[in-house]
Amino acid sequence: KNEVEQSPQNLTAQEGEFITINCSYSVGISALHWLQQHPGGGIVSLFMLSSGKKKHGRLIATINIQEKHSSLHITASHPRDSAVYICAATLKETSGSRLTFGEGTQLTVNP
Amino acid sequence: NAGVTQTPKFRVLKTGQSMTLLCAQDMNHEYMYWYRQDPGMGLRLIHYSVGEGTTAKGEVPDGYNVSRLKKQNFLLGLESAAPSQTSVYFCASSFTQPGGIQYFGAGTRLSVL
Repeated sequence: KNEVEQSPQNLTAQEGEFITINCSYSVGISALHWLQQHPGGGIVSLFMLSSGKKKHGRLIATINIQEKHSSLHITASHPRDSAVYICAATLKETSGSRLTFGEGTQLTVNP
Repeated sequence: NAGVTQTPKFRVLKTGQSMTLLCAQDMNHEYMYWYRQDPGMGLRLIHYSVGEGTTAKGEVPDGYNVSRLKKQNFLLGLESAAPSQTSVYFCASSFTQPGGIQYFGAGTRLSVL
């Protein structure tokens, strides 16, 4: 069983819809990351959080430490949001800022 | 500001050939990482480095070697390529802090025939 699990694996939405991607983890973490991988393959970091909530534009990331769960929300989705969204965690048992990754969620937003 | 640069972007090898992938970062980061990404699987750590002259094994180190002779460069070597090493390889770097944000290169698509 992977220590970081995401759901759903695939998500299709219509432009304008509110989107939620979920991430759960089974061990103690020092930080939770959300990354975005565009169709061209490049990976960029969206958020790093260890508690509470962060917002950047139409993207919101939340984390519940007690429930070992994080969500990424996209408001007013747009076709340019189509990408793979990856949840990753820095596990407390590891060193060197090593990340353990979920398998990713393929998001497609149709016009 | 180039960030993290990987070379080459694409490569096709025959089984048994060797090659070296180069990762260069201009952000003065201490930590550097090599990952591979395969369909249906998350990114997996091959090797990483916590500073110049140091390297350590990740989850899937077999068949790969690395070197960090200069702080800004992290090299990944395949001594005798196998078809199972067909993958997309990503390099990343981060500052020295627990759980620090990692900055990724654009990736190298490698096919081993």
